[in-house]
Amino acid sequence: AQSVTQLDSQVPVFEEAPVELRCNYSSSVSVYLFWYVQYPNQGLQLLLKYLSGSTLVKGINGFEAEFNKSQTSFHLRKPSVHISDTAEYFCAVRDNAGNMLTFGGGTRLMVKP
Amino acid sequence: GAGVSQSPRYKVTKRGQDVALRCDPISGHVSLYWYRQALGQGPEFLTYFNYEAQQDKSGLPNDRFSAERPEGSISTLTIQRTEQRDSAMYRCAGGMGITGELFFGEGSRLTVL
Repeated sequence: AQSVTQLDSQVPVFEEAPVELRCNYSSSVSVYLFWYVQYPNQGLQLLLKYLSGSTLVKGINGFEAEFNKSQTSFHLRKPSVHISDTAEYFCAVRDNAGNMLTFGGGTRLMVKP
Repeated sequence: GAGVSQSPRYKVTKRGQDVALRCDPISGHVSLYWYRQALGQGPEFLTYFNYEAQQDKSGLPNDRFSAERPEGSISTLTIQRTEQRDSAMYRCAGGMGITGELFFGEGSRLTVL
């Protein structure tokens, strides 16, 4: 079985400041890792994904994430946030043996002017 | 259609009634997933299909929940004898393969009074 832990339920940050949203996972097999974003009253949309290769993955809207196998982490970062980045962010894991995508509990990013 | 369509967007029902939630995925998407999302939590896996075959229904909470995808495109999630604890956002997603992203609909919000 696999699981995902997002350590921070809410992250308040001022506009143009850097941000890191933390994600840790557990799985007994190799995994694929994803970050999804959910804006108010919308469906989830993919920010970025790690499948293999370079551990630093770049996504849309200036976000990036780094896969750390030894720490079983996949933290999301952005060097300078905008008001429009205010949303809920979900980390998700899928193991290469199955088809189920397991989500973390989500982190609400609140960007303040 | 251009995206994943779910209907109804909002459903209010009385305890004990049956409800049917519909998902119309993007044309050509082989896999179709159903998730349930409680307020302030991440999506929780319910079941998924490849074409018309239900591959995994381990996430369905009990036998009041069922899903079908008879022609490999539109899917229906049915909840019989609804209870207040069934109140949640029900999300459908489609995709191609386990390394690809899932495309989510905007969800159906179910409220059981």
